[in-house]
Amino acid sequence: DQQVKQNSPSLSVQEGRISILNCDYTNSMFDYFLWYKKYPAEGPTFLISISSIKDKNEDGRFTVFLNKSAKHLSLHIVPSQPGDSAVYFCASPGHTGANSKLTFGKGITLSVRP
Amino acid sequence: EAQVTQNPRYLITVTGKKLTVTCSQNMNHEYMSWYRQDPGLGLRQIYYSMNVEVTDKGDVPEGYKVSRKEKRNFPLILESPSPNQTSLYFCASRGWGNTKNIQYFGAGTRLSVL
Repeated sequence: DQQVKQNSPSLSVQEGRISILNCDYTNSMFDYFLWYKKYPAEGPTFLISISSIKDKNEDGRFTVFLNKSAKHLSLHIVPSQPGDSAVYFCASPGHTGANSKLTFGKGITLSVRP
Repeated sequence: EAQVTQNPRYLITVTGKKLTVTCSQNMNHEYMSWYRQDPGLGLRQIYYSMNVEVTDKGDVPEGYKVSRKEKRNFPLILESPSPNQTSLYFCASRGWGNTKNIQYFGAGTRLSVL
């Protein structure tokens, strides 16, 4: 039973355009979400997070939107750059205060074409 | 430099031959965890540790052991490896002062069990 879902395994966009990576979750108790980025032969690195008390969090070219009623979040990258090509994981520690275990989605492979 | 270090990075072994993957962090983090990444499944937690001498099972603990005798080290032990443990393994750590639940990952250990 997958509680964090990334249903699109891959995305290809042109350099300079917007990349939109989607993530859905099933447990309405989840109140915090993180996006991790992973390059080949490296471990995941933290990118951006959002708490359920917000519906948007922005950090430079990266913005995460949270729609609690739809149990959906999305990561926007504007403008996309070739260096953004990587696997992106959506994750949640579940309910605040719970074990720190991160539940990950399967990941989305983003390719940014020059 | 703050980091999580895993060794070895690559390992090929045979069924039944005991092995240990080491993990060390230099950030004085209390929480440490092991994940495995498999194609189409994302990252799944194997074991975690809230602090020294405190460990517990994650989602896929079968066939693995861990220990936490020191704060900085969290080795993963496969007493009798089997081919279904062929995977990419990541160690992660987090400090309790980090309210964003950002976990820092090692570079990964790619294990092949023949």
